[in-house]
Amino acid sequence: GQQVMQIPQYQHVQEGEDFTTYCNSSTTLSNIQWYKQRPGGHPVFLIQLVKSGEVKKQKRLTFQFGEAKKNSSLHITATQTTDVGTYFCAVNSGGSNYKLTFGKGTLLTVNP
Amino acid sequence: GAVVSQHPSRVICKSGTSVKIECRSLDFQATTMFWYRQFPKKSLMLMATSNEGSKATYEQGVEKDKFLINHASLTLSTLTVTSAHPEDSSFYICSAWTIQGGRIGRRNYGYTFGSGTRLTVV
Repeated sequence: GQQVMQIPQYQHVQEGEDFTTYCNSSTTLSNIQWYKQRPGGHPVFLIQLVKSGEVKKQKRLTFQFGEAKKNSSLHITATQTTDVGTYFCAVNSGGSNYKLTFGKGTLLTVNP
Repeated sequence: GAVVSQHPSRVICKSGTSVKIECRSLDFQATTMFWYRQFPKKSLMLMATSNEGSKATYEQGVEKDKFLINHASLTLSTLTVTSAHPEDSSFYICSAWTIQGGRIGRRNYGYTFGSGTRLTVV
C-alpha cells in the first residue's frame, strides 16, 4: 500500500514562532488528509486535500498539496500553546474500504 | 458531526485474561470500521478492518486469534484482546469513514475516531 514519510519527528518552538511539517510520498497520491492528536487524546480530522497545487487555510493553519501530488505540508503561523499535539498526515492505502496509512507524525511542543 | 463512542477508555487486566473494547457509531451507520493500535509517541498502526456482517480483514502480522473482531450490527464493532499479555499493553482506537463537512458537491471525507482505549496488562 501507500507509504508516506513525515518530517520532522519533533519540533519545539517558542510561542509566536511558525511551524511546518512535511509529508512526502514516492508515488502520486489521490488525496491526503491531516489530523491532529492532542496529548492523551485521539486524532481529529483537520483537512483533506485533493487537487494538485491545492492550498487551504483554517485560521492560522495553511495546508498545501504539491503540484505533483506527491507531497504536502501543514504550516502554522504564530503558534499558540493550544497548537500543542502531534500532527499526522494520512493517505489512502488503496482499495474500496478507505483504509488510511498514517505518517509517523510530528510532535509539536510550544514554549509559552 | 458524526460521533464514534469507544468504551472503556482505560482498562487494567491481568495476564491471561481477555478484554473487550466496543466502538459504536452514535448517529450514523458504519458498515466498515477500522481498528488501530498506537504505542507511546508513535504513529497509528492499522490492525484490521471490521466489516459488518462478514469477517474482519487483518493486516499482515496481526494475529487473528488474538485480536478478535466482531461487527454484528451497523453501529457496533468490538475488538477482544484474548489471553492478554504485557506486550499487548497499548492504546487501541477505532475509526469510521464519515463526512467531515463541506458544501454539497465539495464534501470532505475522513476518519472520525473513537476516544481510544488505553489497555494495561499486568
